[in-house]
Amino acid sequence: DAKTTQPPSMDCAEGRAANLPCNHSTISGNEYVYWYRQIHSQGPQYIIHGLKNNETNEMASLIITEDRKSSTLILPHATLRDTAVYYCTVKETSGSRLTFGEGTQLTVNP
Amino acid sequence: DTGVSQDPRHKITKRGQNVTFRCDPISEHNRLYWYRQTLGQGPEFLTYFQNEAQLEKSRLLSDRFSAERPKGSFSTLEIQHTEQGDSAMYLCASSPDRVIYNEQFFGPGTRLTVL
Repeated sequence: DAKTTQPPSMDCAEGRAANLPCNHSTISGNEYVYWYRQIHSQGPQYIIHGLKNNETNEMASLIITEDRKSSTLILPHATLRDTAVYYCTVKETSGSRLTFGEGTQLTVNP
Repeated sequence: DTGVSQDPRHKITKRGQNVTFRCDPISEHNRLYWYRQTLGQGPEFLTYFQNEAQLEKSRLLSDRFSAERPKGSFSTLEIQHTEQGDSAMYLCASSPDRVIYNEQFFGPGTRLTVL
């Protein structure tokens, strides 16, 4: 599995966009990028995934660079409830396991 | 609430005792996963079932650990002769059996404390 690197922590003002970067420079062609988040004392929550194209759902947008070596998760209007650890991971299409790093602690401030 | 439930939510035990955790996945999901998470770290993969077949096990899953999914529905994770290093959050996840991609839905976890 390709490894990912993320900044350990970020801050964001409530109502502003939160842009969380992830580096996955060794990603292979059949690996998807997945984002999860984990609010304190809860299990991880799936947010979004993508292969090549940018993706958007009701929670977030995912921007993947053309060379697929990095991506950015965008929370367009962060709220206090978005305070969590955000994990970026990559997984083969047929693979089973998710490999999590240490993630980014996002703190949304009022 | 993702629809994945785990029981118990918290377990305190003494070193050397055996413990068993249960996971009930989303009913239509064929795949079931177990992960372990220690403080400040991301979840680490332990094992994976497709229906009742255990298809993959991590090296983290020592001989003291055993997981079952007897009828392809709920799963149990047993730890024998617990050690203090087993203290962690044990997470269960399930996913549909798609070929291309499958997002995993996690339960709330069982927090184990070994005294």
